[in-house]
Amino acid sequence: AQTVTQSQPEMSVQEAETVTLSCTYDTSESDYYLFWYKQPPSRQMILVIRQEAYKQQNATENRFSVNFQKAAKSFSLKISDSQLGDAAMYFCAHGDRSGGSNYKLTFGKGTLLTVNP
Amino acid sequence: NAGVMQNPRHLVRRRGQEARLRCSPMKGHSHVYWYRQLPEEGLKFMVYLQKENIIDESGMPKERFSAEFPKEGPSILRIQQVVRGDSAAYFCASSPPVSPVGELFFGEGSRLTVL
Repeated sequence: AQTVTQSQPEMSVQEAETVTLSCTYDTSESDYYLFWYKQPPSRQMILVIRQEAYKQQNATENRFSVNFQKAAKSFSLKISDSQLGDAAMYFCAHGDRSGGSNYKLTFGKGTLLTVNP
Repeated sequence: NAGVMQNPRHLVRRRGQEARLRCSPMKGHSHVYWYRQLPEEGLKFMVYLQKENIIDESGMPKERFSAEFPKEGPSILRIQQVVRGDSAAYFCASSPPVSPVGELFFGEGSRLTVL
């Protein structure tokens, strides 16, 4: 079974600074995806970024980028130039690509990010 | 284009009562998923439905829980004879028939409190 671990229950960052959220995972599969989801106070979860395990290049979406270390099973999220609107709960998630069950995501417990003005 | 709509947003039930949670997927989405978030936990998959079909219910508790997605109307997650341990946030997600892995569109969730 897959597991996803987020070791930082809470993090804080000053506006305009950079913050990195940690995530490690465990899986026996070789073909999978990793995700970071954001859950703002309104509570609708939004997909922030997705990484395909077979791609060595780290995914980037504007101010959000990941550091994917496949051998170490590590998948951290870096938020650059933090904005007040980035304040949210961030969930790391894993999804298998094979077996036809790619909708069955495994989530970590989340990291609550506070952005200080 | 409205997002995934869930209602009620908050539901309070006493032990032994029934809870019904509704989910209307995004327009054009025919796949619905239910996830549960227990306090201090990440979301956990419960069930995957398409219109009139349960595709995968491997995450559903064996008793008291059921889900449906009828031809017309929203998907419904039904919990009979609720217990305190059912208190959680229940999230519905939807996706179109063909979508990238993991690209699920979530609703705002329904928070169930069992007294």
